[in-house]
Amino acid sequence: EDQVTQSPEALRLQEGESSSLNCSYTVSGLRGLFWYRQDPGKGPEFLFTLYSAGEEKEKERLKATLTKKESFLHITAPKPEDSATYLCAVRGANDYKLSFGAGTTVTVRA
Amino acid sequence: EPEVTQTPSHQVTQMGQEVILRCVPISNHLYFYWYRQILGQKVEFLVSFYNNEISEKSEIFDDQFSVERPDGSNFTLKIRSTKLEDSAMYFCASSEWVGGENYGYTFGSGTRLTVV
Repeated sequence: EDQVTQSPEALRLQEGESSSLNCSYTVSGLRGLFWYRQDPGKGPEFLFTLYSAGEEKEKERLKATLTKKESFLHITAPKPEDSATYLCAVRGANDYKLSFGAGTTVTVRA
Repeated sequence: EPEVTQTPSHQVTQMGQEVILRCVPISNHLYFYWYRQILGQKVEFLVSFYNNEISEKSEIFDDQFSVERPDGSNFTLKIRSTKLEDSAMYFCASSEWVGGENYGYTFGSGTRLTVV
């Protein structure tokens, strides 16, 4: 069974204070690692898909990286509008479903 | 940007009643999914649907649940004889896979189901 563990559970940052979120995973034949942003009461909003170790993707202040066992989401110089829960999910071989971690809730104070 | 649309946004139902949650996936997507998220917990997979049939389902998706694509645009989740523990946010998602790569695994805004 696919397993996804995210850490920390919560992260409080000052505006401009860069940090990283971790996603450790166990999956049989990784076919994609996904990062989503979720605002309270809303659905997950797609950010990135990574497919192979060494791959990196960027979007504004966010950068996602992937190794064979974990992924990091780096937030550079965050702003209050980056406050959200960030979800990591994996897709395994022969699957189309995603298996999610519990998320990291990021709060950025002005 | 294309969206997955879910209705209603909030549904309150009495225990034992049947509910139907509705979704309009992105028009050129062929894979459809339902997930749920109990308050404070992780997003959980329920079922995937392709080519008018269920392709995969979780242990949660028992005989109480069913899915249907009644026409060319809608995708529905029916929950029969609702229980208090069915209270959750239900998310519909759709995706397109080309050559094993994901193109837009997109979630809707969700339906908050409250069973009283």
